[in-house]
Order: sequence, then C-alpha cells, then structure tokens
Amino acid sequence: EVQLVESGGGLVQPGGSLRLSCAASGFTFSSYSMNWVRQAPGKGLEWVSYISSSSSTIYYADSVKGRFTISRDNAKNSLYLQMNSLRAEDTAVYYCARADPNGLNFDYWGQGTLVTVSS
Amino acid sequence: EIVLTQSPDFQSVTPKEKVTITCRASQSIGSSLHWYQQKPDQSPKLLIKYASQSISGVPSRFSGSGSGTDFTLTINSLEAEDAATYYCHQSSSLPWTFGQGTKVEIK
Repeated sequence: EVQLVESGGGLVQPGGSLRLSCAASGFTFSSYSMNWVRQAPGKGLEWVSYISSSSSTIYYADSVKGRFTISRDNAKNSLYLQMNSLRAEDTAVYYCARADPNGLNFDYWGQGTLVTVSS
Repeated sequence: EIVLTQSPDFQSVTPKEKVTITCRASQSIGSSLHWYQQKPDQSPKLLIKYASQSISGVPSRFSGSGSGTDFTLTINSLEAEDAATYYCHQSSSLPWTFGQGTKVEIK
C-alpha cells in the first residue's frame, strides 16, 4: 500500500524557516517524481514544487521561487521542502503527492502537514 | 499561466441524481486535464486522469470527457458518500494549476 506521511509543520514567525519531510513507503520511491501541493485554510489547491526521480529536474511555482527548495533522498525514501523567508500567505496545509509514471498528475497524496506563519 | 474555471462553484443534489461539473481552460491543453475529489478533512484523491481515463478503484459512476479547452466531470446516480469538493488540474504547461473547486452537497 502506498503511504506518504508528512511532518515538520508548525507555527513560525514571518521571515522564519521550516523544513518539511515526507516519508514514502509501499512503492519504489526512487522511480517516481514527487511534488508538494499546498492548500490555504478554506481555499483551493496550489501546486508548489516538483522534483524528478533522480533530482535532475526541479520546478517551482513563482510564488515560492527563490525561497523554497525541494530535495529528496532516495536511500531514505524521503522528500523534503526547505522553506525560508516565510510569509503569512504561505500559511497552508502542505501535501506531498506522488506523480504518476508520466509525471503529469498526482496519483497519491499524503495527509498533509499544517504550516502557520504568524507573529 | 493557464487559468481553469470550474462551474458551478456549488451544487446541492439529491441522491441518485446526475451531477455535471465543467472545467474551462484559458487556452488549449489537449487532454492534460485531471480530476480530484476532496472530502472534508481529507487529502485529495485522483478520480480521472487525462480527461477521460478511469482510475482503478474509483466507482464507475464517475466519468470524464472533453479536450482542448472544455472538460466535464459526470457523476451518474450520486451517492451520499460523494459529498465533496471536486477540482480539475492541468498539466499541459507550467505552472500546473487547479480550478477553484466545485462543492457538491447532498440534499
């Protein structure tokens, strides 16, 4: 069974940093591209970042470019999102989502971790 | 950026009724359109991929159609468990974007 478990969320002050993790199991993690998708409270879904299976290709939404860094450790079956210079508008539930074999949709999602940016 | 506009924003439906949700793209995206279901306090779940391809384990009452700029998600014979918000998503070009969501309530 595919499982994605996020962790690392919490309350952080504006300008602060946070590192999210996503532990994957139930599939060959090193063979799949991965994504982070976020959802502000009561709002819709927003794609944040993508990383290919070998980390050779990385994309970011303009809203986080230059502040967030996606990475992965295939030996540890883990996905990460380093978030710096956090703003109030980054407050959201952050989901890790597996990309399907074509890399173009999100076929499995974690339960999410809440990041709150507030003073 | 490709904008996806869903209609309606909200729909209140009686069980066994047919539900139709549309998603219109601001430019042609071929068949690179996917549908997700998000129930309250749950993470999204992939329902339909590439406009009309079914997903293993998803009930057959869910179907998708369309190409280019106009797409439709159909729920035949709505069941109480289908109460959720439905999102379309395009993967034709970066940044990948989602529609604003359609909330389906059971009367």
